Amino acid sequence: QVQLVESGGGVVQPGRSLTLSCAASGFNFYNYDMQWVRQGPGKGLEWVALISYDGNKKNYEASVKGRFTISRDNSKNAIYLQMNGLRHEDTAIYYCAKEKNSYKTVIDHWGQGTLVTVSS
Amino acid sequence: DIQMTQFPSALSASVGDRVTITCRASQRVGSYLHWFQQKSGKAPRLVIYAASSLESGVPSRFSGSGYGTDFTLTIDSLQPEDVATYYCQQTYTTPYTFGPGTSVDF
Repeated sequence: QVQLVESGGGVVQPGRSLTLSCAASGFNFYNYDMQWVRQGPGKGLEWVALISYDGNKKNYEASVKGRFTISRDNSKNAIYLQMNGLRHEDTAIYYCAKEKNSYKTVIDHWGQGTLVTVSS
Repeated sequence: DIQMTQFPSALSASVGDRVTITCRASQRVGSYLHWFQQKSGKAPRLVIYAASSLESGVPSRFSGSGYGTDFTLTIDSLQPEDVATYYCQQTYTTPYTFGPGTSVDF
């Protein structure tokens, strides 16, 4: 079955960097576009970024563009989110997500999430 | 960016009730509109995709409709396990924006 396991979250000071990882299994990873979605404490869902199956297409939400970089390694069945210049408002649970094969763009599987806390 | 609104923001219903949640997009999104269920402390779960397609494994009491800018999620005969927050999301164009959510409880 599909499994997505995020890691790398933690407490980080404002302005510092952190890299999240997502290990994928149970499907042909190299065929699927992947996304990151976050959820601030007590808040709703916020789409963050996506990466195409081959890594050639990347899109970002405006508030993270230029600070966050999404990447993938198809040889390791993993995606990453490098986060630079972290701000208090980046505090959230970050979910890794897989797109549905039969209908591109929609998420059909989510990881359990990893918590990032930006605090001095 | 396409803005998504949902109403109501919260509702209280009884077991067996029919519940309807509305989602509106600030621009036309065709049928690129999806619904997610999120229970407390859990990751979201896809319920309806492409406006009206039921995701595999989701009970048939869930249904979706709409096209363009106005969409609805309906739960026929609400069950205790349906207590959750429901989010709509458009994937017509990036950024793939979510609605603010509708909390459903008893």
